[in-house]
Amino acid sequence: GENVEQHPSTLSVQEGDSAVIKCTYSDSASNYFPWYKQELGKRPQLIIDIRSNVGEKKDQRIAVTLNKTAKHFSLHITETQPEDSAVYFCAARPSNDYKLSFGAGTTVTVRA
Amino acid sequence: ETGVTQSPTHLIKTRGQQVTLRCSSQSGHNTVSWYQQALGQGPQFIFQYYREEENGRGNFPPRFSGLQFPNYSSELNVNALELDDSALYLCASSLAGWDQPQHFGDGTRLSIL
Repeated sequence: GENVEQHPSTLSVQEGDSAVIKCTYSDSASNYFPWYKQELGKRPQLIIDIRSNVGEKKDQRIAVTLNKTAKHFSLHITETQPEDSAVYFCAARPSNDYKLSFGAGTTVTVRA
Repeated sequence: ETGVTQSPTHLIKTRGQQVTLRCSSQSGHNTVSWYQQALGQGPQFIFQYYREEENGRGNFPPRFSGLQFPNYSSELNVNALELDDSALYLCASSLAGWDQPQHFGDGTRLSIL
């Protein structure tokens, strides 16, 4: 089955700086890659997703890149703000499977 | 548009008991997936329901079972509860399809004593 690894496990950045989280996956059949943000005690919230026919996708201060050859994808947050502090999860899903596999999460802290 | 709702929010049980958790899908969504999230970890896929049938399952024993109803709402049942079952149980709904975004509810926090 799919195995998703996520790095780093914790990330501290100064407000206004950029944050980058990287994930690798094992199943070459994976074609859908969502990212979720989970604030303490709240539900995981979908913030952006990318499909394998696209190499990059942007939404305001958030961007995701995908390298299918290397089987890795990354989340980039620019101009970080205190409200970006949360746990971020990457996930991957093969087109021939119903299972969405998550990484272990990255705790992002934005220092004011 | 109504989002995903789960009940109850918190539950305390003892070992060996049985529990039923409930989920109402977001309006227009016909697929429901259940996840277990242990403290400090990512959600782990339990199973998915579509058209009232289980159509995918993760590495969870048969004592984890579920149902989906004609209105697309769903239940997660866990029998013979064990201490390791203590976790946040999340429900996510979506349209059918491998690339359809899943939207989560707030979860049920289950504690086993």
